[in-house]
Amino acid sequence: GAGVSQSPSNKVTEKGKDVELRCDPISGHTALYWYRQRLGQGLEFLIYFQGNSAPDKSGLPSDRFSAERTGESVSTLTIQRTQQEDSAVYLCASSLGSGDFEQYFGPGTRLTVT
Amino acid sequence: AQSVTQPDIHITVSEGASLELRCNYSYGATPYLFWYVQSPGQGLQLLLKYFSGDTLVQGIKGFEAEFKRSQSSFNLRKPSVHWSDAAEYFCAVGGRAGNNRKLIWGLGTSLAVNP
Repeated sequence: GAGVSQSPSNKVTEKGKDVELRCDPISGHTALYWYRQRLGQGLEFLIYFQGNSAPDKSGLPSDRFSAERTGESVSTLTIQRTQQEDSAVYLCASSLGSGDFEQYFGPGTRLTVT
Repeated sequence: AQSVTQPDIHITVSEGASLELRCNYSYGATPYLFWYVQSPGQGLQLLLKYFSGDTLVQGIKGFEAEFKRSQSSFNLRKPSVHWSDAAEYFCAVGGRAGNNRKLIWGLGTSLAVNP
């Protein structure tokens, strides 16, 4: 499979715990995006990585959220001290770093904070 | 400010009827435009995109969209809706300037299809 993959598909955690969500982009895609989608809502941009440039973190809702990307491969979104309002589906997408903007989405990680 | 507006939060149509989902954008440069669909329990899938050239673009599943620069719109259409088209539809816009390839997303339109 050459698509974007995310793990885990589902995560249930207790309030106050830290969680790590993983995204494997399509090989060769230099751009990677994280979004949050609350139930019945639209896409909320979180962070954008483009090659070796400094990431665009303008969408991170608080300092409890952080993300890393190793080169042009795997990315990890970390949420520290989770709160119930963090419950959502976290979507990852990747795209080519040049040419068009088409984003290819992974299946998402459903996070439930109890 | 850059923005995308999908004026209709929810639309219900009968199976076999025609469909038009509206998308208006505010963008300082010539935009790239996209429609994505999110079916229940499914990931986001690209329906169609506009970059340049013919302003009427064809997509998958029988959808089409027309870019109207004068109206800053990129409405999605389908001549005959199928029950399987029930889903959430998102419009998005991106720009050609610089290296930032972040898309701006609308809030989505939820489509229900009556049998």
